Amino acid sequence: SQTIHQWPATLVQPVGSPLSLECTVEGTSNPNLYWYRQAAGRGLQLLFYSVGIGQISSEVPQNLSASRPQDRQFILSSKKLLLSDSGFYLCAWSVGTSEADTQYFGPGTRLTVL
Amino acid sequence: AQKVTQAQTEISVVEKEDVTLDCVYETRDTTYYLFWYKQPPSGELVFLIRRNSFDEQNEISGRYSWNFQKSTSSFNFTITASQVVDSAVYFCALSETLQETSGSRLTFGEGTQLTVNP
Repeated sequence: SQTIHQWPATLVQPVGSPLSLECTVEGTSNPNLYWYRQAAGRGLQLLFYSVGIGQISSEVPQNLSASRPQDRQFILSSKKLLLSDSGFYLCAWSVGTSEADTQYFGPGTRLTVL
Repeated sequence: AQKVTQAQTEISVVEKEDVTLDCVYETRDTTYYLFWYKQPPSGELVFLIRRNSFDEQNEISGRYSWNFQKSTSSFNFTITASQVVDSAVYFCALSETLQETSGSRLTFGEGTQLTVNP
């Protein structure tokens, strides 16, 4: 069966520091991978998605970036964090090529920028 | 642009009551998919159901049931005989294909916080 991991689970970082969040999927090949952010107030916003190694698409201009160095690994990064980057970051995966594909979410990383 | 509205921000019920969570969506697509997810206090989003726009049959899974009405663009979720463990935030979502690539984008509603009191 497929599983998705995210780490760290929680992170407290000062403004201006770098960021690296990692997501890995097990039990499937060539998944679509997604990064969402959930700010206080509960709405989820798609940040990045990837349909293959090295293929990254950005949904929202910001100081974050994403990379996919391996088939089942997705990394969210920043060179300098802003206060507004605080939130709950969720990684998700799906297989397929249409809007019918169900996305399955990881446990999330709670980021607090001080 | 697609939009999902969950007008109920918070609902509080007593255990064993039935509760319905509302979801209204907007899309120009003729084919689309709707989803419900549950987010317990731990934070992970748990997939509950997927429904395509061509299937208007209601679906029941244990204490959960879903009412899809295309005419009113609604996809409501009912929990029968609610339990304390049902306390969570519930999200309705609408998917669309990402045209420039494969994969899909989920547009989420703002969620409904359900609290079931003993």
